[in-house]
Amino acid sequence: GQQVMQIPQYQHVQEGEDFTTYCNSSTTLSNIQWYKQRPGGHPVFLIQLVKSGEVKKQKRLTFQFGEAKKNSSLHITATQTTDVGTYFCESGGSYIPTFGRGTSLIVHP
Amino acid sequence: ETGVTQSPTHLIKTRGQQVTLRCSSQSGHNTVSWYQQALGQGPQFIFQYYREEENGRGNFPPRFSGLQFPNYSSELNVNALELDDSALYLCASSWKTSKVDEQYFGPGTRLTVT
Repeated sequence: GQQVMQIPQYQHVQEGEDFTTYCNSSTTLSNIQWYKQRPGGHPVFLIQLVKSGEVKKQKRLTFQFGEAKKNSSLHITATQTTDVGTYFCESGGSYIPTFGRGTSLIVHP
Repeated sequence: ETGVTQSPTHLIKTRGQQVTLRCSSQSGHNTVSWYQQALGQGPQFIFQYYREEENGRGNFPPRFSGLQFPNYSSELNVNALELDDSALYLCASSWKTSKVDEQYFGPGTRLTVT
């Protein structure tokens, strides 16, 4: 599978601050998916990115796919306590789906 | 909530025993993938089943095996359990020919091996 490294592992923010998690690969990715897993829950699909340089937005969430298709990011503007959870990127193009280790977001009210 | 269900919710087994976990896929989905998620880690791909055949396998030994049934439900079998097999086991269903690689995860089975 295509290995993906995700940073940071943890991120503490005050409510209202922004948050970004990064996903990096040494090889070109066919596509990348982002998931959110709440504490004690299961991963929930957020979005898929396929095209080089693609940018997609979902309300306060902005997803980007790098021009070289080797990296991706998820940015949350003005975090809320409901954003708490672990965000995973997943590369699935070869069809050995590979998840990053995840970034756990902790939001302090 | 997704339509993916898993049973049992929790399970405690002894080292060396065998276990079977079950998954019912979301209506309309024809593909089931199984993942192992250790604490603090991302899900690790075990294998995928499509049309009742294994269609891709991760780096797991042969004692991890599976089945998919005509109704697209699936089983994960693990023989000769080891302590390191303690983890959350997730199944995810999807539609093979979908343009979007969206997987719908079930709530998972928490397996503890003592």
